[in-house]
Amino acid sequence: DQQVKQNSPSLSVQEGRISILNCDYTNSMFDYFLWYKKYPAEGPTFLISISSIKDKNEDGRFTVFLNKSAKHLSLHIVPSQPGDSAVYFCAASETSGSRLTFGEGTQLTVNP
Amino acid sequence: DGGITQSPKYLFRKEGQNVTLSCEQNLNHDAMYWYRQDPGQGLRLIYYSQIVNDFQKGDIAEGYSVSREKKESFPLTVTSAQKNPTAFYLCASSKGRGGRDTQYFGPGTRLTVL
Repeated sequence: DQQVKQNSPSLSVQEGRISILNCDYTNSMFDYFLWYKKYPAEGPTFLISISSIKDKNEDGRFTVFLNKSAKHLSLHIVPSQPGDSAVYFCAASETSGSRLTFGEGTQLTVNP
Repeated sequence: DGGITQSPKYLFRKEGQNVTLSCEQNLNHDAMYWYRQDPGQGLRLIYYSQIVNDFQKGDIAEGYSVSREKKESFPLTVTSAQKNPTAFYLCASSKGRGGRDTQYFGPGTRLTVL
C-alpha cells in the first residue's frame, strides 16, 4: 500500500525553465510534507517542507504547493539549473507520527 | 565535524552470511533510522529507534535486526533470512522523535550479496 506516490519516474527540463515535480498521498492523517534531494551514491538532503495549515512555502528558487482537498503537493524549481539534476523524494508524516513515509522518487535532469 | 557516518561505502558478502552495517552520529540526535533504497521503490523504512535501548520495526523489517545500545550508534544486521539483501542502505537521524523533525542522512552503504 503506497501511501505516498510520485507517478513520474523522470522529468527532463531545459536550464532556466521551470521544473514541476508532483506527489500524491492517500493517508488523510498526513499533515506535514517534505522534499528531499538525492545525488547518486549519496544520502538525501532536506530541501523544503510544508505544514498542512499552509498551501504554499517558498525558499529561494524552490516553492512547495499543497492542495489538501486533492491530496496533492508539488515542488516548483525556478529557474532550473544543471546542478538541480538529482532524484527528488516527497515524504509525509502524521502529527502524532514518529516516522516519514517516502515516495518512489523522481529523477530530474536539467539540460544546459 | 558533526554528521552521520556509514561504513563501509561498498560491501560484498557471500549468500548465506550475516553482515552488519555501521551507522554512527555525533549530532546528539535522539532518533535514528534505517532505510533501504531499491530502483523505482524509493526509501523504505526498515527499523527506527527513538531512544537508547528501544527500537521499532518499519515496513520491511523481516530479515533484519538492529540494536541501540548507545545514543550515537545504530548498527543494522542483514541476516541470511533476508531474501533480497542487495541494495543501497541509508541511515538517518533526527533531533526529535517525531515525523516533523528533519532527518539527516548518512552517505549510504551499497551491499552486494554474491
